[in-house]
Amino acid sequence: QVTLRESGPALVKPTQTLTLTCTFSGFSLTTDGVRLSWLRQPPGKALEWLALIDWADDKSYSTSLRTRLAISRDTAKNQVVLTMPNVDPADTATYFCARSYSASTAFDFWGRGTLVTVSS
Amino acid sequence: EIVMTQSPATLSVSPGEEVTLSCRASQSVGANLAWYQQKSGQAPRLLIYGASTRAPGIPPRFSGGGFGTEFILTISGLQSDDFAVYYCQQYGNWPPITFGLGTKVETK
Repeated sequence: QVTLRESGPALVKPTQTLTLTCTFSGFSLTTDGVRLSWLRQPPGKALEWLALIDWADDKSYSTSLRTRLAISRDTAKNQVVLTMPNVDPADTATYFCARSYSASTAFDFWGRGTLVTVSS
Repeated sequence: EIVMTQSPATLSVSPGEEVTLSCRASQSVGANLAWYQQKSGQAPRLLIYGASTRAPGIPPRFSGGGFGTEFILTISGLQSDDFAVYYCQQYGNWPPITFGLGTKVETK
């Protein structure tokens, strides 16, 4: 059974660094074709893809946010971490992690999401 | 970056009706197009990938079609559980992976 769960702070102050962890089970991130992404959704708005890490530890980032994001993995713990320095109120959103597998980069399993509010 | 445009923004329908949602890509993505359903307070659920393949467990009233830049999602015999926001997503040319702004299907 595939599960993903996001964890991290609910409230972050502007200029601080946001660190989010996705803990997953039911699959291995070292299996060929497996990718894990971070996405976000501001309240009432559309989904936005942020970053991806794959089975070979290759990483991809949103064009607009690539200078602010870092994605990493800990295969022993089955975790993927996203860090975003210098947050702004515009980064207030629900953050999701999601899996894709094989040639398709459609997201077949999602975590429930974690709401992060950026406010002083 | 490929821009995904969904129309209409909102669709007001009655249960039992057939609805068609549209998604247009700013350049060809081949068949690398997925559709998701999202209900309030929940994570998105994958409905369709490869433009027309239903994800496991998705009922046959959901069907997808199209190729290149024009895609549709059809819901035949809309049920009360289908009122939600629907997103299309391209993965034909990434990074970045991009989504449309969504179509809200609401009750008339």
